[in-house]
Parts: sequence; C-alpha cells; structure tokens
Amino acid sequence: QSALTQPASVSGSPGQSITISCTETSSDVGSYNLVSWYQHHPGKAPKLVVYDVSKRPSGVPDRFSGSKSAYSASLTISGLQAEDEAIYYCCSYAGSSTVVFGGGTKLTVL
Amino acid sequence: EVQLVESGGGLVQPGGSLRLSCAASGFTFGSYWMTWVRQAPGKGLEWVANIKQEGSEKYYVDSVKGRFTISRDNAKNSLYLQMNSLRAEDTALYYCARVGTTVTRLEYWGQGTLVTVSS
Repeated sequence: QSALTQPASVSGSPGQSITISCTETSSDVGSYNLVSWYQHHPGKAPKLVVYDVSKRPSGVPDRFSGSKSAYSASLTISGLQAEDEAIYYCCSYAGSSTVVFGGGTKLTVL
Repeated sequence: EVQLVESGGGLVQPGGSLRLSCAASGFTFGSYWMTWVRQAPGKGLEWVANIKQEGSEKYYVDSVKGRFTISRDNAKNSLYLQMNSLRAEDTALYYCARVGTTVTRLEYWGQGTLVTVSS
C-alpha cells in the first residue's frame, strides 16, 4: 500500500497562515480526489477538518482550507490561533476501498 | 448526538487474541460504513479495516490481513474487531469511526481502547 509524506513539523505565530503538504508516492492514489485532513490533540479523538480535498464539515471554521494538485494535497490554516496547535494528518483513498494516512505534522503556534 | 464507545482492550501475550467492540448510538448504525484506525505509542494514525453497511464487504491493511477480522451486528448497533495472532507491533490505541459519504471522510470517532501486546 502507498505512502503519504508530510513534513514532521511546521510553526507559525498567532494570526499568521501556515500550509501543510501531503505528497502521495503512488500514482494510483494521486488519481483520486478523496483527501481528508484530521486534527489530533493528544489524549483526544481525531477530528475531521477537511474532506474530499476542500470541503469543510459543519462547525469547522473557514480558516481551514484544503487543496490538491497532481499528487500533492495541502491544508492551509489562516489566522492561526493557540488552539490550532495539534498534530495534523492527511488521509487519502488508496484504491479497493482502502485508506492510507500520512505520518502526521506537528503544528506549533509560537 | 453521535457516540462511539470502544471497549475490549487490554494486555495480551504475543500470539494471543482479543476482541474489540464499538458501541454506536445517536445515528442509524446500519446505514454507514464503519472503520477501525489505530495509533501505536509515539506513532501516527494507521487505518486498519473497513466494513460496508450490511457487512458484505470488508477491507484490511496488509499488515493485519489473515489475523484480524472486522464485523458488525446492526441489530446491536455494534462494530467488532477480532484480533488473532497478536504481535508486539499491534500495540496501539484502537479507534472506531463512522465513515461518511466517501471512505476517507471519518466523521465521528470514539475515544479509543488500548491494546498492549507484551509478555
């Protein structure tokens, strides 16, 4: 099964914007527009913040946005807030009803 | 309110078995795909298995194929994960999640149940 590569860490100051990349290493994975992003605070359940590349679930602020080009997806968080500090995982369809997660990116709000 | 509550985790010896359960409430359980995702200590999330609404289709990550079985009982609003031939690398917090309109849309998650495989 394929892999998704994310940077280990990113950081930004309150009010700034950051972007987390997610690069797919399999051409099969890259052909689908089924990418989601999860926010995970340690000790809590992961939370869906973006699905189907760029859609936001109800209740997720529009500061969170997603995009995709070829074999790379991105999550952008604008107007950073302290509570955004968490680990973020991308997730992609890997064919045959299977799913793969990226390794996770730790976001630090300075 | 959608709730997912996992149970059944614990300490088990290598080669042993364990059955995890996930009790669902607040939605029509039989109308949704369900999934198991795990997180090993200090590691990231790993998708483990999916099951279709009526249980006719099941899919697994390669590392658990032949050892784990996902199942469900729609009459009891419950999801299960039977884990056999457990290995140290199966040690993880196991989450159940409800799948939305697409398989990567994991809308609701439980709090997880911890499985430790050690002698």
